Amino acid sequence: ETGVTQSPTHLIKTRGQQVTLRCSSQSGHNTVSWYQQALGQGPQFIFQYYREEENGRGNFPPRFSGLQFPNYSSELNVNALELDDSALYLCASSLVRAGGRETQYFGPGTRLLVL
Amino acid sequence: DQQVKQNSPSLSVQEGRISILNCDYTNSMFDYFLWYKKYPAEGPTFLISISSIKDKNEDGRFTVFLNKSAKHLSLHIVPSQPGDSAVYFCAASLYGNSGNTPLVFGKGTRLSVIA
Repeated sequence: ETGVTQSPTHLIKTRGQQVTLRCSSQSGHNTVSWYQQALGQGPQFIFQYYREEENGRGNFPPRFSGLQFPNYSSELNVNALELDDSALYLCASSLVRAGGRETQYFGPGTRLLVL
Repeated sequence: DQQVKQNSPSLSVQEGRISILNCDYTNSMFDYFLWYKKYPAEGPTFLISISSIKDKNEDGRFTVFLNKSAKHLSLHIVPSQPGDSAVYFCAASLYGNSGNTPLVFGKGTRLSVIA
């Protein structure tokens, strides 16, 4: 039990629609990262938020966007859904401290199917 | 261009024996390595990590070895138990100016421990 929760657990959308996925971080953590895991692959980094600001982005188009709130919960928004967006979306929270090594703790994920 | 590689998609081990999972990386700048375990329908669970200043880290039945010159790390599980059956992901990051960079994952190795 990591203390990181995600909602919903499963979602079915059609091509062109928009989706919002939610994540609640572990208590005390100030950083949230989002990953996409396609079938048979390892998780791929989408972006990271630190103290409500984007702090790095992977190789994903701008239609993937996010927010982090003052309570450190987070949202991932995907616009204009494509079939290839079908995947497990994972959020991970961590505590970033100066000079420290951080460990990311993952939520259970949201499985998105785009038809 | 895969920076973290797990070349064995699957591994089968008898209960009580040693499981050895391997991981290679190409980016010599990586300085922090983690192993995660993933059960179906759950998010990855952090197992053990190692910093590049060490060559071994132990936690109970789990030991991670790092060979920087070969850019290779391995996870040893002794003794293996049926509950260890899961997909194991190797991940790497490097420490930047604003905390650790995002995790780069391998594709995973499915471990089956046979009773």
